[in-house]
Amino acid sequence: GQNIDQPTEMTATEGAIVQINCTYQTSGFNGLFWYQQHAGEAPTFLSYNVLDGLEEKGRFSSFLSRSKGYSYLLLKELQMKDSASYLCAVRGGDDKIIFGKGTRLHILP
Amino acid sequence: DTAVSQTPKYLVTQMGNDKSIKCEQNLGHDTMYWYKQDSKKFLKIMFSYNNKELIINETVPNRFSPKSPDKAHLNLHINSLELGDSAVYFCASSQDKGWVSNTEAFFGQGTRLTVV
Repeated sequence: GQNIDQPTEMTATEGAIVQINCTYQTSGFNGLFWYQQHAGEAPTFLSYNVLDGLEEKGRFSSFLSRSKGYSYLLLKELQMKDSASYLCAVRGGDDKIIFGKGTRLHILP
Repeated sequence: DTAVSQTPKYLVTQMGNDKSIKCEQNLGHDTMYWYKQDSKKFLKIMFSYNNKELIINETVPNRFSPKSPDKAHLNLHINSLELGDSAVYFCASSQDKGWVSNTEAFFGQGTRLTVV
């Protein structure tokens, strides 16, 4: 079966760094995505990894290890507007994009 | 211009009714999806179409029927609505993987369906 796991909730402080982990088991692998979703809004694309390693984009970085079925999203210099749900999604061998249940991130002042 | 647009944004209806949600994308993508996001915020795929052909049909009641008149449109028709159908439904599109490395899905703004 296909399974994507990530923590349900996390809390961090404004200005700090937080790492959101994602582990996956899928039939085939054609890339891993991270999306941000604010309450009541559509998910928006943050990052894409298909090869092992770290992809950096401003305050956000995403890491992938295909052999371990593992990824993380790293958010630096946290801002209050980063309070949102972060969704890990994997494109499987059939090109279907499957989402994890999301991690709700709370930022404290 | 909105890349993926779906209508209506809000839909309140009584049990037993039939309703449709429309989705259009102007990105020239080949693949379109319908996702359901329940009260626990779990985004679950329902259907996927590629060039008007159904390629993914998850375990959803057959009261849900997608229709794709062309590759830019994927509508969702729901018959005999039930209370448990209340959720936010997201339409999304993506380009075929092909040789393109980054083929993320672009989402519509969602349709909040409330069945009373």
